[in-house]
Amino acid sequence: RKEVEQDPGPFNVPEGATVAFNCTYSNSASQSFFWYRQDCRKEPKLLMSVYSSGNEDGRFTAQLNRASQYISLLIRDSKLSDSATYLCVVNMLGAGSYQLTFGKGTKLSVIP
Amino acid sequence: NAGVTQTPKFRVLKTGQSMTLLCAQDMNHEYMYWYRQDPGMGLRLIHYSVGEGTTAKGEVPDGYNVSRLKKQNFLLGLESAAPSQTSVYFCASSEIGQTRGKNIQYFGAGTRLSVL
Repeated sequence: RKEVEQDPGPFNVPEGATVAFNCTYSNSASQSFFWYRQDCRKEPKLLMSVYSSGNEDGRFTAQLNRASQYISLLIRDSKLSDSATYLCVVNMLGAGSYQLTFGKGTKLSVIP
Repeated sequence: NAGVTQTPKFRVLKTGQSMTLLCAQDMNHEYMYWYRQDPGMGLRLIHYSVGEGTTAKGEVPDGYNVSRLKKQNFLLGLESAAPSQTSVYFCASSEIGQTRGKNIQYFGAGTRLSVL
């Protein structure tokens, strides 16, 4: 089983739509969780951290379910500029250091 | 606001040639990482460093060597390049700790390497 699994998409949605991405992780010892955004031919950039209580940043809402080992990202009122690949990222302490494990990403295309 | 800087941005090598990729960060981060990203594979960790003078193997270390002689620099070397090493290479750095805001990795813009 892959350590971090995401639906690769692509998700093609019209402007203004709400879209949700899901992610599951296999290591129950995982300690912190993130969503990164990667534009075509660019580096990944942090979109938001994901906290146990859930957290919101403008149009973006992240949820974490530790019992089910499940993370989600909800984007409301999609904009053209939201088109990118969204990476689910899990941080685990292993061998005395923190390492991130990346999902393969979910591609979003917002259509006019 | 330099953050993480990678050089070069592009490189074409012939099989068997060697090269060094340089990563520099100005955020005083302890941790530095080298990843490769291939289509359909996601980001995979090659090597990482938890501090000056230390290095450790990641998921796909074979064919690569690294050095961290200075805290701000992390070098990735390919001694004898192979076509399988054609990829996009990203360097990243992070602080360490359990508190919120820690363990966030900041990435450089990447190096696109083709090995013919």
